[in-house]
Amino acid sequence: AQTVTQSQPEMSVQEAETVTLSCTYDTSENNYYLFWYKQPPSRQMILVIRQEAYKQQNATENRFSVNFQKAAKSFSLKISDSQLGDTAMYFCAFMWAGTASKLTFGTGTRLQVTL
Amino acid sequence: GAVVSQHPSRVICKSGTSVKIECRSLDFQATTMFWYRQFPKQSLMLMATSNEGSKATYEQGVEKDKFLINHASLTLSTLTVTSAHPEDSSFYICSARADSAQETQYFGPGTRLLVL
Repeated sequence: AQTVTQSQPEMSVQEAETVTLSCTYDTSENNYYLFWYKQPPSRQMILVIRQEAYKQQNATENRFSVNFQKAAKSFSLKISDSQLGDTAMYFCAFMWAGTASKLTFGTGTRLQVTL
Repeated sequence: GAVVSQHPSRVICKSGTSVKIECRSLDFQATTMFWYRQFPKQSLMLMATSNEGSKATYEQGVEKDKFLINHASLTLSTLTVTSAHPEDSSFYICSARADSAQETQYFGPGTRLLVL
C-alpha cells in the first residue's frame, strides 16, 4: 500500500516571499503520478500541479513548481511570490498509473500567507 | 476546465431519515467517480469508487448498506446516506475522473451534512 507523509501541519509565509511544502511517499510502484491539491476556506479542492513519475523534468505552473526526487521519494511544492489567496490547506497525493487507481492523500499542510 | 457539481451544498436532516447527494460531471464523461468524507481539519478519506453501470467498490470499514451509491449514467453518481445518525454528520466530497484523461480527478464543491 502507498503512504503519503506531510510533516508540516502548519506553515506561514509573508506576502511576496517563497515557501516550500514538503511531501514524501512510499511505494513499490515505478509508474505513478503525484499531485498537489489546494483546499481554500471554501473547501473546494483545486488541482495545483501534477507530476508524472517517468518525467525527470520538474513540473511548473506559473508561481508553483515542484522538486521531484524519485529516488528519495520526495515531492515538495514551492510557491513563489506568495499571495494572500494562496492561504489554504495543501494536500500532496499519490496515484498509481493503472486502471481503477485511486488517490492517496497526505494529512495536509495549512499555509497562512500574511501581510 | 472540467467542472463537477454537487447538490445539495448543505443539508440538515433528522436522525433516521435518508439523504441523497448528487455528483455531476458537467462537461465531460466520467465512467468512474469517487466519494470522500472529510472531518474537520483532516484529510480526505476515500469511501468508495463509483463505476457507471456496475456496483460500487467500497473501502474497508465503509458500510455499503448505509452509504448507497448509484452511478446510472456517465455524468451522474449519487450517494444516499440511509437512516442517518448524528455521527454521519460530515463534509462529503465527490470527484470524477474524465474518461479522456484518467490521470486526473476533478472535485465537486462538497456537501455539508448535519444530522440532528
